[in-house]
Order: sequence, then C-alpha cells, then structure tokens
Amino acid sequence: KQEVTQIPAALSVPEGENLVLNCSFTDSAIYNLQWFRQDPGKGLTSLLLIQSSQREQTSGRLNASLDKSSGRSTLYIAASQPGDSATYLCAVMAGGTSYGKLTFGQGTILTVHP
Amino acid sequence: DAGVIQSPRHEVTEMGQEVTLRCKPISGHDYLFWYRQTMMRGLELLIYFNNNVPIDDSGMPEDRFSAKMPNASFSTLKIQPSEPRDSAVYFCASSSLGAEAFFGQGTRLTVV
Repeated sequence: KQEVTQIPAALSVPEGENLVLNCSFTDSAIYNLQWFRQDPGKGLTSLLLIQSSQREQTSGRLNASLDKSSGRSTLYIAASQPGDSATYLCAVMAGGTSYGKLTFGQGTILTVHP
Repeated sequence: DAGVIQSPRHEVTEMGQEVTLRCKPISGHDYLFWYRQTMMRGLELLIYFNNNVPIDDSGMPEDRFSAKMPNASFSTLKIQPSEPRDSAVYFCASSSLGAEAFFGQGTRLTVV
C-alpha cells in the first residue's frame, strides 16, 4: 500500500525566504507526482506535475524535483510572499498493480508573514 | 471546459437521511476520484473509477457509502443512512492517466 508523507507538517517563515517542502513515498512504482495548493475553504489547485521519467519541473518561483528511486520529491519556493500562504499537498499516481490510483500526503501548512 | 463540477456546494442534513453528492468530470478524462477531507484524517481516497468502472473502493468507510458512474460525464456518491461522523468536505477529481488531476470545489456536508 502506497504511503505518502510530507515534512514538515507546518512551516512559518518571513517574507522573502527561500524554502523547501518535502514529500516521500513508499512505493516507487509511480506514474507521476503532482504538487497542489489548497487555500482555506477552497478546492485543490495543481501547481506542478512531474512524470516518473523526469527529474524536475519549474513554474515561476516554484521548482519541484523527483528522485523516484529513493521515493522523494521536494518543492522549492523562491522568494516567498504572503500570498504563498496555503496548504501544500503532494500526490503520487500509481503505476504497477494500482494503476492510476492517486494518493495524497497530509500536507504542509505554510505561513509567510510580512 | 468548465472544470470538474460538483453539486451541491453545501449540504446540511439530519442523521439518518440519505445524501447524494454529484460530480461532472472534465470531458475526455477517463479517471474519476472521490475523496473525503477532514481535519483529523486529511484527504482520503474513497473510490476511483477508470472508464466508468470502479477500480478500487477499499477506502469506502462502510456499506452506508456507495458510488456509481453510469456514464463518462456523471458520478454520484451516496450515503445512506448518514451519520454525524460523515460530516466532511467531499471532493471529486478527474484526470487522464499520466496527466494532471483536476479537482472540483467540493461539497461541504454537515450531518446534524
């Protein structure tokens, strides 16, 4: 059974800092990994998708890396802003016998204060 | 496309009543997922479909929960009878294999 863990559970930083969120998964037979953002009381918004054959993806101030063999991904946020405050979730889409199954971590609650 | 559409957005019901949540996935997506989100347990996968066929329902908490996907553009999640512990936000998501998953805005269910 795939298990996804995110560290830290919560993070509070001053504006302007660069920060790293971590995601690990137990089964490396994945199809892809996706990072989402969730604002309070809202749905999930996709940030970045990394295919299993890729090492990283970038979008603006966000960079996500994937090391499938070690079961790890990181989301790097450069020059953080108060508007980045949200919960960040990673999700893996399974390959192998659970083809297509999308499993989430518990999320990291990020607060960026001015 | 208008994205994944869920209805209703909010539902308040009395314990013991039947609740039906609805989802319209993005056209062309062949995977559909139902999740439940609570503060205590986070985002839990209840069931997912591929080409309208349920693939894994191991996350459905008990027999009071059922889900159907009669066609590629519609799915329902039914709770009968509902209990206060079912109160949560229920999300529907859709994707194609290997592509981004897109979520609906969720249905906030309160069972009193």
